[in-house]
Amino acid sequence: NAGVMQNPRHLVRRRGQEARLRCSPMKGHSHVYWYRQLPEEGLKFMVYLQKENIIDESGMPKERFSAEFPKEGPSILRIQQVVRGDSAAYFCASSPFQGGLSNEKLFFGSGTQLSVL
Amino acid sequence: DQQVKQNSPSLSVQEGRISILNCDYTNSMFDYFLWYKKYPAEGPTFLISISSIKDKNEDGRFTVFLNKSAKHLSLHIVPSQPGDSAVYFCAASSTQGAQKLVFGQGTRLTINP
Repeated sequence: NAGVMQNPRHLVRRRGQEARLRCSPMKGHSHVYWYRQLPEEGLKFMVYLQKENIIDESGMPKERFSAEFPKEGPSILRIQQVVRGDSAAYFCASSPFQGGLSNEKLFFGSGTQLSVL
Repeated sequence: DQQVKQNSPSLSVQEGRISILNCDYTNSMFDYFLWYKKYPAEGPTFLISISSIKDKNEDGRFTVFLNKSAKHLSLHIVPSQPGDSAVYFCAASSTQGAQKLVFGQGTRLTINP
C-alpha cells in the first residue's frame, strides 16, 4: 500500500525556468493538498484540490503558481519563471475525506526540495 | 502574522525523562489541534490531536493538553526515547476552514542517551 508519492525529490532550476512538481495520492484518496515550507518555518497551506476541481487556492501566490489534479494522473504544482524566493520544500498531502475532524487523516509525501539558482 | 507559534526552536531531553513541547495560538476560531512529527527527508506524520471540547487527550506515551483561555497547548512525551528525536509541529484548524492546517515553526527535539 504505497503512500503519497512525490517526484522529483530534488529539483534544481535556474531563475526564469519552470518547475513542475508531481504528487500521486494514496490509493483511494481523492483530496490533495499542497503545502510549502520555507527554511526555518512551518508548513504553509497553498491549495486544496479534488479530482478536476480546485476547492481552495487561497494560499497560492496569485502569479506564476498553478495547480491541477486531473481525472487521470498525478496532481501537478507548476511554478513558472521561478525566482530564488521559490526555493523551499513543497509537500503534498492526501486524504480520503474533506477536512473537518479527519484532518489527522492527512498523509504527507516526503516532499520535493526545490532549489533555484 | 504567525497564528500558531512554537517559541522553542529546539529542546534537549535525557532518555527516560519527560519531554514537554509548547505551542501558542492567536486565532479564537481554531477548534482542532494536531501534533505532527517529522524526520529529516520525510514528510510530517500525524501524532495526536485534540478537539476544543476537551482539555486532554492521551495516546500511549503521548498526551496533549489544551488550555483554551490561555490559547496554549502542550505535548508531553513520557518516557522519552531516542526514536522520539525529530522535529515536532503543532498545527491548528477551524471547522470553517478545516482543510487548511496552520502550522507552527516546529521544535527540534533531541533525546540524549
